[in-house]
Amino acid sequence: NAGVTQTPKFQVLKTGQSMTLQCAQDMNHEYMSWYRQDPGMGLRLIHYSVGAGITDQGEVPNGYNVSRSTTEDFPLRLLSAAPSQTSVYFCASSQDSFNQPQHFGDGTRLSIL
Amino acid sequence: AQRVTQPEKLLSVFKGAPVELKCNYSYSGSPELFWYVQYSRQRLQLLLRHISRESIKGFTADLNKGETSFHLKKPFAQEEDSAMYYCAPLWLDGNNRLAFGKGNQVVVIP
Repeated sequence: NAGVTQTPKFQVLKTGQSMTLQCAQDMNHEYMSWYRQDPGMGLRLIHYSVGAGITDQGEVPNGYNVSRSTTEDFPLRLLSAAPSQTSVYFCASSQDSFNQPQHFGDGTRLSIL
Repeated sequence: AQRVTQPEKLLSVFKGAPVELKCNYSYSGSPELFWYVQYSRQRLQLLLRHISRESIKGFTADLNKGETSFHLKKPFAQEEDSAMYYCAPLWLDGNNRLAFGKGNQVVVIP
């Protein structure tokens, strides 16, 4: 099993551009989440999903959209990139709750110019 | 408001010395509590959870409800313990979200 796979690993965008960060898991996990990691801020929850077709906002959802059309995939969309969205983005999945161990991807390092 | 605090950003210890990472939380209920670790060039992963009451890689963490703390301890630090450590409470308030502290960077000096 590959676990949680994130693509791309690195990306540079110009302000105003849009893009989608991909996340896929092959463990048949119900829960999936997106976090951003900033220096001195730790990990902050952006959006999460408790199953296919169900998503909800986390702590810092503004400027991001998500969808969960399948159990395996949970893409994160930046609608109009801003420099404040420069960060490292992590996708995570867990079996059926946040109480279960979270399995993280390698992260996507995103720079917005 | 719900909050998790890890007061020390960087902790440098000598090999063989004890290490303690502090985690305090503010929450009216009783959260589930976890420690996650990220070693250099590896993925963030679960280290231990308080409900398991087990020792992982020599680390233990005791929940002190009176002090609302969940400090992580190891009596003798090893070089391979150098990593970033995150305290992560799970707020059981209906939203049931996992929160992460700002993290502690631990450097073990040979």
